[in-house]
Order: sequence, then structure tokens, then C-alpha cells
Amino acid sequence: SAVISQKPSRDICQRGTSLTIQCQVDSQVTMMFWYRQQPGQSLTLIATANQGSEATYESGFVIDKFPISRPNLTFSTLTVSNMSPEDSSIYLCSARSSGYEQYFGPGTRLTVT
Amino acid sequence: DQQVKQNSPSLSVQEGRISILNCDYTNSMFDYFLWYKKYPAEGPTFLISISSIKDKNEDGRFTVFLNKSAKHLSLHIVPSQPGDSAVYFCAASEGTSGSRLTFGEGTQLTVNP
Repeated sequence: SAVISQKPSRDICQRGTSLTIQCQVDSQVTMMFWYRQQPGQSLTLIATANQGSEATYESGFVIDKFPISRPNLTFSTLTVSNMSPEDSSIYLCSARSSGYEQYFGPGTRLTVT
Repeated sequence: DQQVKQNSPSLSVQEGRISILNCDYTNSMFDYFLWYKKYPAEGPTFLISISSIKDKNEDGRFTVFLNKSAKHLSLHIVPSQPGDSAVYFCAASEGTSGSRLTFGEGTQLTVNP
């Protein structure tokens, strides 16, 4: 299984600002994903990060709000733009090589004030 | 539209007894199911999975059962240990998408010594 790290682990941000979250995998993986877990809720897929091309966004999520980069097979970033208190969540990166199993990073806990 | 449901938000069992966590789904296109465990301030950890062509998969203390006709799966933990106390998420994947995981709301398991 892949080992995934995320930076920062937590942050408190002012509304209207942006935060970029980094995800690093210890081995090359086929696919990388970004999820959000709002307080008391389940995990919701934001987008699939595609290496060398634009991310594939799920319904309800748009590139202007959540721009994603994946420059290579082990690294991806998610930016939460123009933040509001409703963006306060845990943001999780995951990766998948072969098979259906996805392995998750520790998450980034974001609080927007 | 919640396609994967975990109707019990919490479950409490005694150490050494069996824990049974349940999950129902509505999308008949789901063909692969996974269970994840999540401790506070950590990312979800993959536990066990099952393909729709099987009705049971066992790994040590963990067994997952799948009833396709009822669109129901369950996770059995025997014997339960205090370290098993965590939130357990059921997730499902659709063959056509191959990657997208749909998660249930989670069940908080507490194993009492």
C-alpha cells in the first residue's frame, strides 16, 4: 500500500483567502483523488487529479473554486479558493495503483473564520 | 440521493464479543465494496473489501458478507478489541467508473473493556 502525506495538517484561514494543500505519495500511483469531509458527514469526492491534464470534477465542484494540479505520478495539490466558513472541512487526498482500494492521507483540517 | 447508507450512527459492544456493522446500497451497478476504519485526526485506513462475485471475504478477525439480492453488506469483527473503537465507513465502487468510491455516513464503534 502507498504511504501518503499531506501538508499542512491543519490551518485557520480568513474568509476570502486561498489555501493550497499538498499531497505526496511515496511511490508512483495510477490515480489520485481529493475528498472533503464536512463536520459530522461522510467523505465526498471533489475530483480525480489527472497527471498532466485537467482534473475531473464531481457534480457540485468546479475548477475555479478547487483548482487541482498533478504534475507527476506522486504529487498533487488542491487549492481552496476565496474561502468562506462553509469550506471548513477536512480535506483528504487518496491514491490508487492497481485494484479498487484507495489509500488515504492523514487529512488537512481547515477552519475558515 | 444517498446511494450507500449506514443506518446506525453508533454501536457499542463489549470486548471479546462480535461487532456487526451494516451497510445498504441502492445502486445495482456497484460491483466492489470496501470497509475503512477512521480514527480521529487520521485519514481512513483500508480494512477489507469484497467483489460482487463473492458473498464472503475473511481476513483475520474481520469478515465481510455481501447479500446482493438484498443490496446489503456487513462487517463482522470477532473478537472485538478496545483498539477497534473508531468510525467505520462502508464504500462502493461502480465497474464502469472503476475508481469513484461512494461512501456511507459511517458508524462509530465503541468497544468497552
